[in-house]
Amino acid sequence: DAGVIQSPRHEVTEMGQEVTLRCKPISGHNSLFWYRQTMMRGLELLIYFNNNVPIDDSGMPEDRFSAKMPNASFSTLKIQPSEPRDSAVYFCASRRDRGNYNSPLHFGNGTRLTVT
Amino acid sequence: AQKVTQAQTEISVVEKEDVTLDCVYETRDTTYYLFWYKQPPSGELVFLIRRNSFDEQNEISGRYSWNFQKSTSSFNFTITASQVVDSAVYFCALLNTDKLIFGTGTRLQVFP
Repeated sequence: DAGVIQSPRHEVTEMGQEVTLRCKPISGHNSLFWYRQTMMRGLELLIYFNNNVPIDDSGMPEDRFSAKMPNASFSTLKIQPSEPRDSAVYFCASRRDRGNYNSPLHFGNGTRLTVT
Repeated sequence: AQKVTQAQTEISVVEKEDVTLDCVYETRDTTYYLFWYKQPPSGELVFLIRRNSFDEQNEISGRYSWNFQKSTSSFNFTITASQVVDSAVYFCALLNTDKLIFGTGTRLQVFP
């Protein structure tokens, strides 16, 4: 079975440019999460979708960050304009929720973003 | 507040030693779930175990074992006879309603 697929694996961009990260969740999973990992702050939840609807975006750092989930098999996380402090590894994860939310998250391999 | 504390930032052991990774959690919920994930040097996050608050039995899976104690709000992870391939960052996590809250992780280095 294919796991969570993220692209690109690595992204290097200059400050001020727009960055789009992509995620394909596991088929049949109805919840999708975007996490950011940095040395200073560890793993932070940015936003969480359930059945393609954003449920909690309280972790999105600021208006420069936006996320969409147009259908059950695709999500994007966009940063515009990007800044050096956005450099991190961004993980997408998905989960099959059956009303109790305690199924484990399955993570993609992450996108390592470097903003110079 | 919901919180997970992994006080050990980094642990180094020599192969074949046993090692325990500590996890202490805080929650007001009476029903909750705890998880452990492994992040090897390749970077992916791998699910290891889930435990619910009603089940305090210790769990063993090969060289891995988990000790859940509600009285001390701890969910510790022991690797017996460690191997170089166990080198990774290990994260403990608490399910907060519908979202996972992660600890800061413990980096384990196993030397040959």
